Amino acid sequence: GAGVSQSPSNKVTEKGKDVELRCDPISGHTALYWYRQSLGQGLEFLIYFQGNSAPDKSGLPSDRFSAERTGGSVSTLTIQRTQQEDSAVYLCASSLGGTGANVLTFGAGSRLTVL
Amino acid sequence: QQPVQSPQAVILREGEDAVINCSSSKALYSVHWYRQKHGEAPVFLMILLKGGEQKGHDKISASFNEKKQQSSLYLTASQLSYSGTYFCGTEIYNTDKLIFGTGTRLQVFP
Repeated sequence: GAGVSQSPSNKVTEKGKDVELRCDPISGHTALYWYRQSLGQGLEFLIYFQGNSAPDKSGLPSDRFSAERTGGSVSTLTIQRTQQEDSAVYLCASSLGGTGANVLTFGAGSRLTVL
Repeated sequence: QQPVQSPQAVILREGEDAVINCSSSKALYSVHWYRQKHGEAPVFLMILLKGGEQKGHDKISASFNEKKQQSSLYLTASQLSYSGTYFCGTEIYNTDKLIFGTGTRLQVFP
């Protein structure tokens, strides 16, 4: 597609429920990132996929968070047993990848509210 | 690993200049700068590769001091459209993942 597409744009859930957030990157982009942005805060790195390499999961805050990238394209971020502190905007970004060529294009984000 | 930005916030009148700094404790391959307007996704401004280069984009320019692992973003003759939060993103040597700084909120008033 022309840009990075994320869905849903807004998700309200109850504490303890599981949620899935989807990211469809730009066609041909081999690198895909997930970041979390809490209200008024910076961009917190969560996970990074590059081609067929094992993902860099070093930013995932707990084992309730996981992500997959199927066929080198679409990615799903799953949060299990959601907590109120998980409320944030989850941003996905993709790039052509490669050292020095990692110019990111961001999606519009998925706003998660945990009640 | 997260780079540190300063200042945290800047308030300007139209036409004034500002400098935003980004510092890392790790050896860097590149530094990126992005701008995020309220309620929108971050948008790429420029990338600086190792070699101490300086780049310009309209009246926004940046420098990268590889030895000090520091970058600065220069905004000259600021316009209302410059308002937003500026993030530096750092690419550490031997990784190609991008880690963002804490952000600098810039507000330009008429």
